[in-house]
This record gives sequence, structure tokens and C-alpha cells, in this order.
Amino acid sequence: QVQLVESGGGVVQPGRSLRLSCAASGFTFSSYAMHWVRQAPVKGLEWVAVISTDGSYKFYADSVKGRFTISRDNSKNTLYLQMNSLRGEDTAVYYCAKDSSADYWGQGTLVTVSS
Amino acid sequence: DVVMTQSPLSLPVTLGQPASISCRSSQSLVHSDGSTYLNWFQQRPGQSPRRLIYNVSNRDSGVPDRFSGSGSGTDFTLKISRVEAEDVGVYYCMQGTHWPPWTFGQGTKVEIK
Repeated sequence: QVQLVESGGGVVQPGRSLRLSCAASGFTFSSYAMHWVRQAPVKGLEWVAVISTDGSYKFYADSVKGRFTISRDNSKNTLYLQMNSLRGEDTAVYYCAKDSSADYWGQGTLVTVSS
Repeated sequence: DVVMTQSPLSLPVTLGQPASISCRSSQSLVHSDGSTYLNWFQQRPGQSPRRLIYNVSNRDSGVPDRFSGSGSGTDFTLKISRVEAEDVGVYYCMQGTHWPPWTFGQGTKVEIK
């Protein structure tokens, strides 16, 4: 069955960096676009970024453009989110989601930006 | 970006009674390919979102048939025919027609009276 497992979250100081990973299994990872979506505490869902099947196109939410980088390694079935210059408002649970139809989501990893 | 507006934001329901959630988009969600990419998600307390409905009215595998989706253009509805205790949570609509970005409604919290 399809599984998406995020990791890499934690507590980080403002201005520092963190890299999230999303390990995929149960489907042909290289055939699907992948997304990151986040959810701030007690808030709604906010789309963060998308990457195409081969990584040739990437799009970002305005709120993270220039600070976050989405990437993937199809040989490892893994999606990444490099987060630089972190701010308090980046505090959230980060989910990876499969395909443009958002049919499967991971369980999320919590990122807390605090001094 | 397309703005998605849900109502109500809070929905107390008696067990066994129906529930209905509205979702409106700031522009038509009909894609140039003819499809309408409007999804509904359920997020139970402490869990990640789970897709219930895709392309307006198609139920995902394993989703009880008491859940149904309808609508067209800019107006969409999620209905629960008879609410059960396991339906408690927050429900989100999401458009995937005009992306990036995906945009979500604010969420509707369903609770038992």
C-alpha cells in the first residue's frame, strides 16, 4: 500500500536551516509529482511547494519563495524540503502529498522555530 | 490565487442526523480539459488529512457511502447523510484546477451535539 513517511522535523532557532525528508513506498515514485503542505498549530492547510516527476519544474508559495527548496531523488524514492532562513511563522506540521490529486498524505513532521 | 470559502466553520450535529458543508471558489473550477478538480478532505483529531472525495463527486476507496459530494462551477457541497461519532473532525475543500498553488478552504469543524 502507499506509504509516505516524513522525517527531519524538530526545534530550530530563527534564521537557521532544516531539511525534511519524505520516504515513499507502495507506488512508482518517479511517475508522480509531489507536494509539501503545512499546517500551523490550530490552523488550516497551506500549500508550500510542488516538484514535477523528474524535478524539472518546481513551484513555491510566495511565503517560502527564495528560502525553501524542494527536491527529489527518484533512485531513493525520497522527497526533500530544504528550509533556510527559518522564521517563527514557519512553525507547522509539514506533510508530503502524492500527485496533483492529493490522494495520499504522510503523517507529518513538526517543525518548531523558536529561540 | 483562487480563494476557497467554506461555511459554516463550525457544525454541531446530532448523531444520525445529516450534515452539509458548503465550499465556494472565487472563480470557476472547470479545467480546460473539462474536469473539475475539487477535492474534500477529512482530518480527524491528531491525524493527517485523508481524501474523501475527488473531482467533485467521486468517493475514494473505503469511504462510507454516507459521504457524498456535489456541485459545479464555483459552488460545491459535501454531505454526510447520517453523522456517526467517527465523523468528528475538520473538513477541508481544496481546488487543484488552477495550480500552483493548491488552495484550501478554512476548514469546517464537525462535532457532536
